[in-house]
Formats: sequence, structure tokens, C-alpha cells
Amino acid sequence: EDQVTQSPEALRLQEGESSSLNCSYTVSGLRGLFWYRQDPGKGPEFLFTLYSAGEEKEKERLKATLTKKESFLHITAPKPEDSATYLCAVAKNYGQNFVFGPGTRLSVLP
Amino acid sequence: SAVISQKPSRDICQRGTSLTIQCQVDSQVTMMFWYRQQPGQSLTLIATANQGSEATYESGFVIDKFPISRPNLTFSTLTVSNMSPEDSSIYLCSVFGSAGQETQYFGPGTRLLVL
Repeated sequence: EDQVTQSPEALRLQEGESSSLNCSYTVSGLRGLFWYRQDPGKGPEFLFTLYSAGEEKEKERLKATLTKKESFLHITAPKPEDSATYLCAVAKNYGQNFVFGPGTRLSVLP
Repeated sequence: SAVISQKPSRDICQRGTSLTIQCQVDSQVTMMFWYRQQPGQSLTLIATANQGSEATYESGFVIDKFPISRPNLTFSTLTVSNMSPEDSSIYLCSVFGSAGQETQYFGPGTRLLVL
């Protein structure tokens, strides 16, 4: 059965304190892995798509990496506005539905 | 990316009633997806709506409870029928980006509270 787990469940950082979020997946034939940011009461906002092991994508203070079994979202020198829930999802086949992980709630304190 | 709007943004309903949620996309898309996000939980797919055919429902979701319409390539509705407090959730619609793109983009969601 396809499964996506994320750790930690919640993370509190001081402003400027870098860290990483983990997304582990069990999918036969991964088509793509997706990272989203979700603010309270809003829909998920797309961040990155990763397709193959070794691939990396960057956007401002965020960098996403992918291996054959997991993905990391690295946050460098975070700011309070980076506080949100970060979701990862996997797609097995093109055009098919995503399987979402439970998310990591990130709080960045000033 | 696609621009998606949903109506209503939030509602408070009495148990036993029904609510229809609208989803409008700024471009024509083949598939539209409806998700539910219960409080503190991640997203769970309810159904996939294709224009011109019946929606495909995921395990645990049935058409009588969540009827879906897809009258054209830019619009869909999800009805939550005979509501109970357990239906209190955020309901989200999503679409793939432009043709050939594999990323899903989400609407802002509809927050539903059932009393």
C-alpha cells in the first residue's frame, strides 16, 4: 500500500535556526514528489516538484531534495513568516491522485 | 499555474441539511479533484470529477453523500448531503496545471462547521 509519512509532527525554531523536515514514502514506481505549504484556513500552496533521486530544487530559504526513499525540505535561516504546515505528497502515475503525508507544523519564533 | 476560486469560503450549517460548494477554474481542465481535510488532519481525496462522465469516488466516499456535478471544463460542484458534525472539515478542489503538467493546484478551501 502506498504510504507517506512526515517527521517531525511539529517543529519550533528560533528565527535564523536552520533545520530539515523529512518525508518518507513507500510507493512502487514514483512519478513525482510534491511539497506544499499550507497556512491556517487556506488551501495548500505549491512549492516544489521532484521527479528523480538526486534532484534538488530551491526557492528563497527552502531547498528540497529527493532520494529513493525520502525527501527533505531544508529551511535555511528561517523567518517567522515561514511558519506554516508543510505537506508532501506523492504521485504514482501521471494523472492519478496524490497521496498526502500528515504534514509538519513549523513555528518560527522571533 | 491555475487560479481556482471556491464558494462559499465558509459556512455554518445545521445537521440534516445539505450544502453545495462551487469550484471555478480560470482555464479548461480535464480533471478536477475534491479533497476533505478534517481538523488537524491531512488531505483525503473524495472523488475525481471528469467533464461528461460520472465522478470516480475513493473508498469510503459515496455518491449519495457527496454528489458531484461537472457541467463544463471550468466548473464543478460538490454537495455535502444530510450533514452531521463529523462532516465539519475544510473542502478543497484542485486541478492539474497546464496540459502535460503534473502538479496539482488547490483552491482556497471551504470551511464547513456542522452544528
